[in-house]
Amino acid sequence: GNSVTQMEGPVTLSEEAFLTINCTYTATGYPSLFWYVQYPGEGLQLLLKATKADDKGSNKGFEATYRKETTSFHLEKGSVQVSDSAVYFCALSDPWSSASKIIFGSGTRLSIRP
Amino acid sequence: NAGVTQTPKFRVLKTGQSMTLLCAQDMNHEYMYWYRQDPGMGLRLIHYSVGEGTTAKGEVPDGYNVSRLKKQNFLLGLESAAPSQTSVYFCASSYRAGRDQETQYFGPGTRLLVL
Repeated sequence: GNSVTQMEGPVTLSEEAFLTINCTYTATGYPSLFWYVQYPGEGLQLLLKATKADDKGSNKGFEATYRKETTSFHLEKGSVQVSDSAVYFCALSDPWSSASKIIFGSGTRLSIRP
Repeated sequence: NAGVTQTPKFRVLKTGQSMTLLCAQDMNHEYMYWYRQDPGMGLRLIHYSVGEGTTAKGEVPDGYNVSRLKKQNFLLGLESAAPSQTSVYFCASSYRAGRDQETQYFGPGTRLLVL
C-alpha cells in the first residue's frame, strides 16, 4: 500500500540556517505529493504541492521537488526564521482513488533558535 | 469565508459518556474527512464522506460514528468514550477527487480528554 516516511524530529536549527527535511514515499501509480505545516495550536495547512514528476512546489521560501526516480520529496529552505517553528507533514494522495484520501507521514517538529 | 470550523475546541469526558463533534465548511466542498492526531503517529483517517448522505470507514473507525445530513456539515460521534480516544480531532474538506482537486483544508481541531 501507499506510505510516507519522513525524518524523525525534533530538528533544532539557528535562525538563517539551511533546512532539509527528508521525505520518501511508496506508491503505485502517479500520486500527488504535499507538504503540510501545523503551527502551534492550529490545524494543518497546505504549504506546497507537486502533482507530477520533476515538478517543484514552492511557497514562503520553501521548496520541494517531486523525484520519481528516488521516490522522494524533500523539503528545503535556504534561510529559516523563528516563525518557521512548526510541525511539518509530508503526504501523498492518489488523486483518482476513492475520496482522494491523503496518507500522512508522522510529522517532523522544527524549532528555530533566535 | 470562515473555511472549516470545528466545535467544541476542547472537551473533557468521563469514560462511557457520549458526545458529538461538529465540523462545518462554507467552501461547497464535496468531500469531508475526520482524522485523529496522536503523538508520533501523524494523522489517521477515521471516517470520510464523498457527498451529502454518504459516509465510509477510514483507517481507524472503531468506536466512532459519523453523519453527513447536509453538505456543509460532518458530525463525528462517540457513543461510549474510552481513554484510548483521548486525542486531537481534525476535520478536513476538499473539492473532489482528481488531479489539482484533492487538496484538503483543515479545521483548527478539537482536543478531547477522556478520563
